[in-house]
Order: sequence, then structure tokens, then C-alpha cells
Amino acid sequence: GAGVSQTPSNKVTEKGKYVELRCDPISGHTALYWYRQSLGQGPEFLIYFQGTGAADDSGLPNDRFFAVRPEGSVSTLKIQRTERGDSAVYLCASSLGGQGYEQYFGPGTRLTVT
Amino acid sequence: DQQVKQNSPSLSVQEGRISILNCDYTNSMFDYFLWYKKYPAEGPTFLISISSIKDKNEDGRFTVFLNKSAKHLSLHIVPSQPGDSAVYFCAASSLGGNQFYFGTGTSLTVIP
Repeated sequence: GAGVSQTPSNKVTEKGKYVELRCDPISGHTALYWYRQSLGQGPEFLIYFQGTGAADDSGLPNDRFFAVRPEGSVSTLKIQRTERGDSAVYLCASSLGGQGYEQYFGPGTRLTVT
Repeated sequence: DQQVKQNSPSLSVQEGRISILNCDYTNSMFDYFLWYKKYPAEGPTFLISISSIKDKNEDGRFTVFLNKSAKHLSLHIVPSQPGDSAVYFCAASSLGGNQFYFGTGTSLTVIP
């Protein structure tokens, strides 16, 4: 079956611009996670959705970052006024539930802010 | 503050031998641990997990050991194969927690 997909695979934007990153989870997965992975680091938790609601957004670094999942399936991570420090690979994962359920990761979106 | 640490950024092992990847954590509330494998340009893939009620979990060539008193876990791969060459991440979470905390990864190279 289809896995988690993320678009675009690569995004280059100028400092100060707005970007949207999309995640299509595995069908039927109620839990969705966003992570950010900087060079040489492990994935860093950003936000967790259970259904349509953000159950835990404590990992979002500041108010320039926002994510939605309006119908409980596709999610969009939105970054306003991008900064060079936002450059990273943004990973999305989905699972059947919360803790105890395997997370299936997408290939990521590589964001480069110039 | 890194709550999950993988102190070896890289490891090389001969094909057929054992690979041992180590992970340490600082948060005593963590009770669920996972290992992920990552190839370049792909997302991490789940490998094996263990909950704190166990000290060992085995799946084929992969075994994870948990030492709660030392706050240490390890992944053993026996025998190692060239296809095992990848970056391995350990991750941890606490009961009822939604956040998974990842280590910085260990790059394993299995030499044919």
C-alpha cells in the first residue's frame, strides 16, 4: 500500500518568504507527527495531531510555525517569515495511534532558506 | 538539552560479525524505546522497539537490550550484512507522552 508522502521533496526559498509543506499520511492513520531534522542531528519533534486537532504542539520553535490537519488526513506545515536557521529536512510520520504504535515516516522535505 | 544520546557517530563492522549500537538516555520517565534505520534521502524506518517492562526484545537478526538502572539500551545485529549499512537512530518516549526524543544517530558501515 501507499506510504507517507511529502511534497515538495525540495524547497528553496528566500529569507522572509512564506512556505507550506504538505504531508499525506497512510490512509486510516489517526496520528500524525511533524519533525525537523537538522544536519548531523536526529529528528526533533514539532507537533502531534490526533485526528484533526493538535494534541501537542509544544515542539514548535516559535509562532512563525503553524500546522493544520483540517480533515484529519492531509496536514500542512506552514512557516512564515522564513529564516536561514529554518533550513532543515522536515519529516512527517503517521501511525495508527499514539505511543506504542509504530510511526511510518515520509521521505521528508528538504527546505533551504537563502 | 539532549535527552537521548548516541555517542558513537560511526561504526564499521566486517560482514558476518556482530554490530552493537549504543544509546543512553537521561530522563527516567522514558518507558518506551525504539530503533529506526535510515537510508540517504529516505525517511527513518522502524526496526524494533522495547518497553520498560522488558529487558530484551528480539526480532530475527536484531535484538534490543534495555538496562533501566544504567539508562542504556543497545541494538545488536547478528550477523551483520552489507545491506545493514545505514544510519541508526534510537528514540524514547514516556508513558502517555506524544513526543519521541531521538538521538543523533550512528552511521553503520558493514564491510563485505
